[in-house]
Amino acid sequence: DGGITQSPKYLFRKEGQNVTLSCEQNLNHDAMYWYRQDPGQGLRLIYYSQIVNDFQKGDIAEGYSVSREKKESFPLTVTSAQKNPTAFYLCASTPLIDHSGNTIYFGEGSWLTVV
Amino acid sequence: GQNIDQPTEMTATEGAIVQINCTYQTSGFNGLFWYQQHAGEAPTFLSYNVLDGLEEKGRFSSFLSRSKGYSYLLLKELQMKDSASYLCAAMDSNYQLIWGAGTKLIIKP
Repeated sequence: DGGITQSPKYLFRKEGQNVTLSCEQNLNHDAMYWYRQDPGQGLRLIYYSQIVNDFQKGDIAEGYSVSREKKESFPLTVTSAQKNPTAFYLCASTPLIDHSGNTIYFGEGSWLTVV
Repeated sequence: GQNIDQPTEMTATEGAIVQINCTYQTSGFNGLFWYQQHAGEAPTFLSYNVLDGLEEKGRFSSFLSRSKGYSYLLLKELQMKDSASYLCAAMDSNYQLIWGAGTKLIIKP
């Protein structure tokens, strides 16, 4: 079955450490997204990519980095520059030309905690 | 700027009806989405409206008025499992989703 796989589900980061969240999809979707969600809040866009080897900053890109070397993969690195990274992270993908209805697929989410 | 407003929290009784309102301001408009999200899980799709009017889907209905920048999600015959957060999201002219903060719905027996 096609879907989007996000890992790990839980991740702990020490001070000054970079960590990477994985996001893989086999839906042949062009666009992929990373969102951050804090408790009681909506989703805030970190980065998005509409094509391989190209990505754009979202509203809260500082302290994060991404790459899009393959269509299927869009990993997110939370760098040591992100001072308050504890949050729930969601990866999503959509087909580029069909934005109607139920075409947004989400990964299961990753909880990142600073220890 | 772009903005989505929805109530922070609502309480309703099992078996009753509840309406969750959402107002939006976006640069261009390509549709309004409603998602249900249980704590610690990904959002799940409920509805999509791009034309004015009411869309009914079982116990859930969604309404859109583009001229007023307004939508609501109507939940009928509430069940305890409907306790969740409900996220409103509007798609702008660049096909980017602008998300509301979500409405936490508490269902009481």
